[in-house]
Amino acid sequence: QKEVEQNSGPLSVPEGAIASLNCTYSDRVSQSFFWYRQYSGKSPELIMSIYSNGDKEDGRFTAQLNKASQYVSLLIRDSQPSDSATYLCALVTGGGNKLTFGTGTQLKVEL
Amino acid sequence: DTEVTQTPKHLVMGMTNKKSLKCEQHMGHRAMYWYKQKAKKPPELMFVYSYEKLSINESVPSRFSPECPNSSLLNLHLHALQPEDSALYLCASSQDMDSYQPQHFGDGTRLSIL
Repeated sequence: QKEVEQNSGPLSVPEGAIASLNCTYSDRVSQSFFWYRQYSGKSPELIMSIYSNGDKEDGRFTAQLNKASQYVSLLIRDSQPSDSATYLCALVTGGGNKLTFGTGTQLKVEL
Repeated sequence: DTEVTQTPKHLVMGMTNKKSLKCEQHMGHRAMYWYKQKAKKPPELMFVYSYEKLSINESVPSRFSPECPNSSLLNLHLHALQPEDSALYLCASSQDMDSYQPQHFGDGTRLSIL
């Protein structure tokens, strides 16, 4: 079983809809969770960080964490074509700040 | 625009060349990272420096040699690379190595080995 799993997609949503991106992880002691957005040919850009169970909202983005079920999700409200990118789930397990990435989900927002 | 600056943006080199990638940040961060990313794959950690000391080496071949001259600069020296080393090389930094500190990435150097 992979440490961090994401559906590779592509996930297609119409403009204005809610995009829901999911990530599951295997290590129960994971303590920090991050979502990065990566446009084709560009570097990862930090979107959200979440550390405790529940929801965290920032503008059109909401991160949700459920440690008991070992999943973290990212909701994008009012999706725009500019949101089309690959979204990487990343987490830190154990000591230090070593990130483990999922393989990413490609999101396509269609006009 | 990112606050982590990487140079050069693109680099083409032969297998016998020696070159260096540079990374600079002025956010006062004390942890800096090198990642390698192949097409359609997630970034893979190579090295971590914490307070200018090498903290993590992910069993990277010796043809890659990191250096941290001061708290703002991180270099990656390249020598005798192989074609499979062609990739996007990403530098990142964080406040320190506390697991709650998010990492911020530079724009990367796209490396091609002929």
